[in-house]
Amino acid sequence: GENVEQHPSTLSVQEGDSAVIKCTYSDSASNYFPWYKQELGKRPQLIIDIRSNVGEKKDQRIAVTLNKTAKHFSLHITETQPEDSAVYFCAASKPSGTYKYIFGTGTRLKVLA
Amino acid sequence: NAGVTQTPKFRVLKTGQSMTLLCAQDMNHEYMYWYRQDPGMGLRLIHYSVGEGTTAKGEVPDGYNVSRLKKQNFLLGLESAAPSQTSVYFCASTSSGSDTQYFGPGTRLTVL
Repeated sequence: GENVEQHPSTLSVQEGDSAVIKCTYSDSASNYFPWYKQELGKRPQLIIDIRSNVGEKKDQRIAVTLNKTAKHFSLHITETQPEDSAVYFCAASKPSGTYKYIFGTGTRLKVLA
Repeated sequence: NAGVTQTPKFRVLKTGQSMTLLCAQDMNHEYMYWYRQDPGMGLRLIHYSVGEGTTAKGEVPDGYNVSRLKKQNFLLGLESAAPSQTSVYFCASTSSGSDTQYFGPGTRLTVL
């Protein structure tokens, strides 16, 4: 069935360094790829998304890249700050009329001061 | 504009008890979803609804029922709770053509 694999499961970086989280999806019909950030005890919140007709999207320190041929997409956070510490989830969705997501299993990012 | 709200925030049940979780949204969204979140397993879809009066099964529907009698509300029911249903439950909603799902604050359920 449809699947989204996410790596790594945990990631520790020094403040100011970059962090990269990678996801691979199985369904080639997927066309929408959101990234959510979830702080401890809080709800997931959308931080950036990308559609299949775009290869890269940036929003200040956050960027997402998409490789449709390889069926993988990545989240890049530059100049990391302690407030970036959270769990990050990728997801994939296809045009089925339901807007359902398949989520990855999450990456716990720790930014060390 | 409250967005997506969930009731209750916390609940402890004994095995075999029943309960209903309420999700409400004030954004006039057509689509609503119930997820459960367990450590190391991400968010898994339990049931979803594409409009008032409709429901459908997600990845992990067993042991749960849902109803969408009003567009703004999506109810998740546990008829006979089991310890395996101990989890954090999130509701989400989106509108047609938007793709982005907006999440509620979650309900932490413990089944003893």
